[in-house]
Amino acid sequence: AQSVSQHNHHVILSEAASLELGCNYSYGGTVNLFWYVQYPGQHLQLLLKYFSGDPLVKGIKGFEAEFIKSKFSFNLRKPSVQWSDTAEYFCAVTPVGGNNRLAFGKGNQVVVIP
Amino acid sequence: KAGVTQTPRYLIKTRGQQVTLSCSPISGHRSVSWYQQTPGQGLQFLFEYFSETQRNKGNFPGRFSGRQFSNSRSEMNVSTLELGDSALYLCASSMDRGPEQYFGPGTRLTVT
Repeated sequence: AQSVSQHNHHVILSEAASLELGCNYSYGGTVNLFWYVQYPGQHLQLLLKYFSGDPLVKGIKGFEAEFIKSKFSFNLRKPSVQWSDTAEYFCAVTPVGGNNRLAFGKGNQVVVIP
Repeated sequence: KAGVTQTPRYLIKTRGQQVTLSCSPISGHRSVSWYQQTPGQGLQFLFEYFSETQRNKGNFPGRFSGRQFSNSRSEMNVSTLELGDSALYLCASSMDRGPEQYFGPGTRLTVT
C-alpha cells in the first residue's frame, strides 16, 4: 500500500514570503499525485494534479508543484503567499491503473500573517 | 454543475446508536468514495463504490458499511457507535473511477 509523508506540520510565514511544502510518497509503481487545500470552514479542494508528462505542474492561485521521480517527491511551491493562503494543505497519491483509493499525508497547517 | 452534497452536515449521537450519512455525487459521476478525517489519524479511506458495487475497502471494522444506489447516490452506515467514531466524514466523487476526486463539505459526527 502506498503511504505519504508531509513534514513541518505547522508553518507560519509573513505575506509575500515564499512557501514550499514537501511531500514524499512510498510506492513501487506509477502514481497519480495531488495537492488538496482545505481553507478554514470550507471543504477539500483540488489545488493541482500530476498524472504524466511535464513534471512541473501549475495549479490554481499561483501554486505549482514539481514531481521528482527519483526522489519520490511532489513538493508544492508558491513564490509569494497572501493572507488568503492560510489553510491546511494535503498531499495525496493513488496508483495508476489500480484502485481509486487516495492515500493522504497528515497535512501542513499554513498560517500567513498579514 | 452542482458539487458533491452531503447530508446531514452535523450529527450528534450517543454511544451504541447507529447513524446513516448520505452523499450525492456530481452529476455524471459514478464513483463515490468515503473518507474519515480526524485530528489524530488524518484522512483515511473507508470504501469506494462504483455502479452499486463496493470496489475497495479500507481498514475499518465491519461496523462501517455503505451502499450505492442506481442513481449513484451513496450512503454509509456506522452501527454501535463508539466515542472514537467522532470525525468528519467526507464523500468524494469521480467520473468512471477516474483518479481525480471531488470532495463534499462533509458530515461532522460527534458521539457522546
